[in-house]
Parts: sequence; C-alpha cells; structure tokens
Amino acid sequence: EIVLIQSPATLSLSPGERATLSCRASQSVSSYLAWYQQKPGQAPRLLIYDASNRATGIPTRFSGSGSGTDFTLTISSLEPEDFAVYYCQQRSNWWTFGQGTKVEIK
Amino acid sequence: QLQLQESGPGLVKPSETLSLTCTVSGGSISTSFYYWGWIRQPPGKGLEWIATIYHSGSTYYKPSLKSRVTISVDTSKNQFSLRLNSVTAADTAVYYCARMNDAFGWPSWFDYWGQGTLVTVSS
Repeated sequence: EIVLIQSPATLSLSPGERATLSCRASQSVSSYLAWYQQKPGQAPRLLIYDASNRATGIPTRFSGSGSGTDFTLTISSLEPEDFAVYYCQQRSNWWTFGQGTKVEIK
Repeated sequence: QLQLQESGPGLVKPSETLSLTCTVSGGSISTSFYYWGWIRQPPGKGLEWIATIYHSGSTYYKPSLKSRVTISVDTSKNQFSLRLNSVTAADTAVYYCARMNDAFGWPSWFDYWGQGTLVTVSS
C-alpha cells in the first residue's frame, strides 16, 4: 500500500497569507495525485487532480504541483472559507489518502 | 446536478453486518467512464477507501478489508450498496459514497460525494 505523509499536521495562518501544504508518497505515484478540502460536518471536495489540474469551479488561488513522490498544494491568498482540512489522495496503486493538514486561523 | 445519498442503519452490533445503500439521482449509474465507491472516516480521523464498482459489475476492494466487504450495484434502481461483515468498534465511522472519474480505463478521483452517514458499532 502506498502511504502518503502530509506536512505539517497543522498550519496556522491569517487571511491573505499564502499556504503551502506538502504531501510525500512512500513510492512514486507519477502525477496521479489529487487534493481535497473538507470542512467540519461536510464531505470532502475535489480541488486538484493529476497533481496540477483544478477541478470544475475551483478558484485559481488553489494550485498544485509535483510529481513522483513530492507534491505541493498552494493557496496563494487565504480567504476565510479556505480554513479547513486538506487531504491528498493517490490513484497509482489502489487508492489511499494522506492523514490531512488542518489550515487554521492564526 | 448529480446527487448521492447514503442510507442504512446508524447502529450495528459487534459481529453483525453493516449494510448501506447509495442512491444516485440527477444522472445514471450506468453512464460510461464513471465508477462508484465507498470511503469511510472514523470520528476525528482521516479518509479510508473501502471499495469501488463499475456498472458492469467489476469490483475493486481494499486488500486489508477484502475478506469482509461486498460491493454491489442495482442499475434498475440507480443504487449501489456496501456490506461489511463481522464488524467491530474499529468500523465505527462516517461512511461516504462517491462517484469516481475514469482515467484511461482506471477509476481515479472522487468528484461527487454523498453527505455521509455515521455508523456506530456498539452493543
């Protein structure tokens, strides 16, 4: 099973700041990585797929990069609605998720 | 707009079988290039993929759960279902159903999700 490790576990930032979230895979997943946002009491929402493609309706402040084992989700300028938990997910070998990064208000 | 809705008991006794159904509306479960899956999330924890099915009946199971899980599809009702046998407290979680996009003939991303249903395993 491919293990995805996300860091940091918690990111404390203020609105308007840039957020950089990391996801590292235990083996190469090529570009087969997605990012999701989850708010309390809600289902996850697909943000990014294939490492760098924004899903339908996702604002341009969200961007993804990386390939192989190291990936990054960047939120260029945090809006109040962006404070949530973010998960990465790979589809290279079955489907597994990272443990999540919580982006909280500083 | 595609919608998915989970249904089933919220409380299951240890050693019994958890059964959930996902009803799809706003689109056909038989549409080509889409798969259908189950994911769970224990309270306060992360997401775990459980199983996936195509309308033709092709199935994929998480290896560590395969001996206890069955996923099935009923195209006439536009529904798919999950059965998890011999449950324990460790199976307590919010269970989500979701649509998976197809990428070159392989299920890929979860692009539509149900709201989730909490299933508690307790006597």
